[in-house]
Amino acid sequence: AQTVTQSQPEMSVQEAETVTLSCTYDTSESDYYLFWYKQPPSRQMILVIRQEAYKQQNATENRFSVNFQKAAKSFSLKISDSQLGDAAMYFCAYRSEMNRDDKIIFGKGTRLHILP
Amino acid sequence: DAMVIQNPRYQVTQFGKPVTLSCSQTLNHNVMYWYQQKSSQAPKLLFHYYDKDFNNEADTPDNFQSRRPNTSFCFLDIRSPGLGDAAMYLCATSREAGSYNEQFFGPGTRLTVL
Repeated sequence: AQTVTQSQPEMSVQEAETVTLSCTYDTSESDYYLFWYKQPPSRQMILVIRQEAYKQQNATENRFSVNFQKAAKSFSLKISDSQLGDAAMYFCAYRSEMNRDDKIIFGKGTRLHILP
Repeated sequence: DAMVIQNPRYQVTQFGKPVTLSCSQTLNHNVMYWYQQKSSQAPKLLFHYYDKDFNNEADTPDNFQSRRPNTSFCFLDIRSPGLGDAAMYLCATSREAGSYNEQFFGPGTRLTVL
């Protein structure tokens, strides 16, 4: 069974600085997708960025980028120029390409605080 | 704006008293999901509908059931809530099944069981 581990329950970063959230996963599959979701307080969860495992190039979305290390099964999220609106719970997630049960496996999340 | 709507946002029920949570979507997506998220834990998939086809997770308690009367609406029924069922319940939709398709989440319903 696949697992997703986020080892940092909470992190803090100064506004305008860069922060990296860690995520590791375990799978025996070769085809899958990885996601970072953001859940602000009292607001809905939204997709921040996704990565296809077959792509070597790291995904980037504006200030958000990932460092995908397939062999190490590592998928970290880097937030550049942190803003107050980035404060949220961030979930790393895995979804199998081969298994069609449509299940997303989430990590336990990292709560990110932005210090003004 | 097209979106996923959950009502109510906060629901209080008594131990053993049936409760229904509702989700609606204006995205016209084929797939709808229900997740349970307990405090400081990851969301856990309970079940999902692909169109009218119901897919139950193996470890979802029998106490939890779902209905999808049409494309737009999906309901979560908890027949006899226990204290352990207190959680945030998230509804999500996806245009199609399959790994690449993004899931769009509603704001959640926070259930309190007294």
